[in-house]
Amino acid sequence: EAQVTQNPRYLITVTGKKLTVTCSQNMNHEYMSWYRQDPGLGLRQIYYSMNVEVTDKGDVPEGYKVSRKEKRNFPLILESPSPNQTSLYFCATQLQGAHTGELFFGEGSRLTVL
Amino acid sequence: GDSVTQMEGPVTLSEEAFLTINCTYTATGYPSLFWYVQYPGEGLQLLLKATKADDKGSNKGFEATYRKETTSFHLEKGSVQVSDSAVYFCALSRRDYKLSFGAGTTVTVRA
Repeated sequence: EAQVTQNPRYLITVTGKKLTVTCSQNMNHEYMSWYRQDPGLGLRQIYYSMNVEVTDKGDVPEGYKVSRKEKRNFPLILESPSPNQTSLYFCATQLQGAHTGELFFGEGSRLTVL
Repeated sequence: GDSVTQMEGPVTLSEEAFLTINCTYTATGYPSLFWYVQYPGEGLQLLLKATKADDKGSNKGFEATYRKETTSFHLEKGSVQVSDSAVYFCALSRRDYKLSFGAGTTVTVRA
């Protein structure tokens, strides 16, 4: 079954405590990306990766890091979380070159930073 | 930059009612347009899409027509069910192949 798996699904943490949200996909997709969803703002892209070792900033990258060491994994790193990073985060993948707009999303990770 | 604007919710309907969610876009060139749906506790999934003017996307009883003259892509369903309760997002593909999403419209269908 085609899957995009995120962990953890829920997390409460405190300001400044580094955390990582993992994302793994089994569809062999080259393109992976991270979004945050906030009320009234829809989804905004944080970072994306076109392939292994290739990453680039999205629309709201401040305060986040990513890495793409393997094709299937694309972790999102918050080095020093702050309360304004409280949000619902989604990992998404797309077959590279398809440009069909069909993204495959994980189930989301709800992060609360106190 | 390229963007979409969709009607704010929440929208509450009775079963078998007609649903319309308005979406208008601003873009240079000719973007592809999409509707994504997010059911409670799940990630988004593609509902339908249209890639050029006058195209009609359809799926699960939902339809949307790409109207270049009015820069719109309104989502419609003739008879909603409780299982259609979800958040609906309009989106367009930008020239850099990224997607720009609208703010989302929460729809609740009551039995």
